[in-house]
Amino acid sequence: GAVVSQHPSRVICKSGTSVKIECRSLDFQATTMFWYRQFPKKSLMLMATSNEGSKATYEQGVEKDKFLINHASLTLSTLTVTSAHPEDSSFYICSAREAGTYGYTFGSGTRLTVV
Amino acid sequence: AQSVTQLDSQVPVFEEAPVELRCNYSSSVSVYLFWYVQYPNQGLQLLLKYLSGSTLVKGINGFEAEFNKSQTSFHLRKPSVHISDTAEYFCAISNAGGTSYGKLTFGQGTILTVHP
Repeated sequence: GAVVSQHPSRVICKSGTSVKIECRSLDFQATTMFWYRQFPKKSLMLMATSNEGSKATYEQGVEKDKFLINHASLTLSTLTVTSAHPEDSSFYICSAREAGTYGYTFGSGTRLTVV
Repeated sequence: AQSVTQLDSQVPVFEEAPVELRCNYSSSVSVYLFWYVQYPNQGLQLLLKYLSGSTLVKGINGFEAEFNKSQTSFHLRKPSVHISDTAEYFCAISNAGGTSYGKLTFGQGTILTVHP
């Protein structure tokens, strides 16, 4: 079946630095990728939708300059948390949709801790 | 606006007992419905989905769900649970078409704990 690889699984960074999270579809082409954020004991909140070769669409309240999303190829999307602060600590999960299907495959998530 | 409500935040059950996790939704347009399972510090795995056709949907690991349009519900059931089913379960919906095609709206999650 479809597999989405998300790296890193865990990252600890200092406040003020930037962190890049990668989401890669291993055996299919993902025209659309979604980035979610999950707070402790909370559900998943959609942050943005990225389409290959175009700008990401951000949900209301999500700072696009802080959460930079790049979807440069049909198999790779990246989320960069710029100038991270402790309140950005969270679990980030990507999801990819295979071109021509209605199947969503989720990555394994990234636990970000900003100290 | 769409919303998904999972009526139980936690469901404890004994091994080999049946379980039902409840999900109701609200939407002004037709939707697709999904159930996902999440193990600690992991991503989400699709259990089953309803797109069209038979309202009784069978998924992996012995789970099934029934779409009830009149009650706007999509409850998840399993006749006999195992310890390994202990996890958090999310119900989600998506527009069946239109500009929001593809975006998932999730419920709050239900933590299923199976006791020996």
